[in-house]
Amino acid sequence: DAGITQSPRHKVTETGTPVTLRCHQTENHRYMYWYRQDPGHGLRLIHYSYGVKDTDKGEVSDGYSVSRSKTEDFLLTLESATSSQTSVYFCAISAVQTTGELFFGEGSRLTVL
Amino acid sequence: SQQGEEDPQALSIQEGENATMNCSYKTSINNLQWYRQNSGRGLVHLILIRSNEREKHSGRLRVTLDTSKKSSSLLITASRAADTASYFCATGRGNEKLTFGTGTRLTIIP
Repeated sequence: DAGITQSPRHKVTETGTPVTLRCHQTENHRYMYWYRQDPGHGLRLIHYSYGVKDTDKGEVSDGYSVSRSKTEDFLLTLESATSSQTSVYFCAISAVQTTGELFFGEGSRLTVL
Repeated sequence: SQQGEEDPQALSIQEGENATMNCSYKTSINNLQWYRQNSGRGLVHLILIRSNEREKHSGRLRVTLDTSKKSSSLLITASRAADTASYFCATGRGNEKLTFGTGTRLTIIP
């Protein structure tokens, strides 16, 4: 299994509070991604990174920011959590751009009350 | 918006039978991938087929791709209880971003 660790795995927070999810990889892969998974929507890309300090938006980036200061860490921040951000968040990594095969973490379940 | 859509949304079959899932997509692609997700877990890559390929096999998996119809199918032969999972197609267009469908939930009845 690819070395991907997400933390925390479960979090309950209140509306308006900041939340940071961490993705840590031991594979030295260049590409890292944050997806959210919701019933009826499948997986939707929030943000991705193609290198240290190189990030770009996905299709559902509003309300989220990311940072990647080291190859191994990709942080997803909800500056002010809302109930609509209740979801399961998955981090994924990829070594090769052309094939785009992704390796996923185990997910972080976030509940915003 | 989702690039890929799986059909059916849910499928239940008896153990030992074959399971077929379909994926349709909207725009041109470089490759199409299938992933499996067990309940409460992350997605696991199963197989990738490139746009210039028509069929690919991996163990009990057979994937076909018809770019003229913008569709793909995943066949799992001789299903087992351990195949119970959700299956997602994902399309790639040569950039960094894969786009996932909404998935087919497969249940294998022992």
